[in-house]
Amino acid sequence: SSELTQDPAVSVALGQTVRITCQGDSLRTYYANWYQQKPGQAPTLVIFGRYKRPSGIPDRFSGSNSGNTASLTITGARAEDDADYYCNSRDNSGDRYVFGTGTRVTVL
Amino acid sequence: QVHLVESGGGVVQPGRSLRLSCAASGFTFRNYGMHWVRQAPDKGLEWVAIISYDGVNKYYADSVKGRLTISRDNSKNTLYLQVNSLRIEDTAVYFCAKETDESYDRKAFDVWGRGTMVTVSS
Repeated sequence: SSELTQDPAVSVALGQTVRITCQGDSLRTYYANWYQQKPGQAPTLVIFGRYKRPSGIPDRFSGSNSGNTASLTITGARAEDDADYYCNSRDNSGDRYVFGTGTRVTVL
Repeated sequence: QVHLVESGGGVVQPGRSLRLSCAASGFTFRNYGMHWVRQAPDKGLEWVAIISYDGVNKYYADSVKGRLTISRDNSKNTLYLQVNSLRIEDTAVYFCAKETDESYDRKAFDVWGRGTMVTVSS
């Protein structure tokens, strides 16, 4: 098994930039994906394969990676970006998956 | 339109069993790996299980191995999760999710259902 660790919470002023990180050994081998989840809703994929955006996801969302750390950056945060964000990837076995601990992003 | 709809949740006593279903539409179900992910109240997401597109390969999180069985019926476009010997800590919203058709090391979950709530309580 393996773990993906995220900061529990971050805040960002409206229109500013925030970066969320995700650390884990599996990220040295497998690409990170990022999901946004709002209260009472299912998660939504916002970044996959480290930096790709699904159709319909604004380009203010971007992803990157360095070693065992993946990052999700929101450039020009909007009120609707206020949500929980989770990273995920395959775990060290390659057969299973793991989610990060989650980051609560508050847009002030 | 791509759609996943879970059903089968409810209030169940500890030790009992439950079968969850996930009905898929809007895409060629038999071509994609499928997952179950759960979320306990006010907790984070927990990956539970995966089944390959043809139902041959199945893998489970260590926390549920031996009690949960994932299966699929490609003729009915439906995914299942059999949960046995339910425990209080199995209380969660259970989501089904479709895998992307990216390469092995880039797989993600691009379509999610709205989830079905399972409450284990005496």
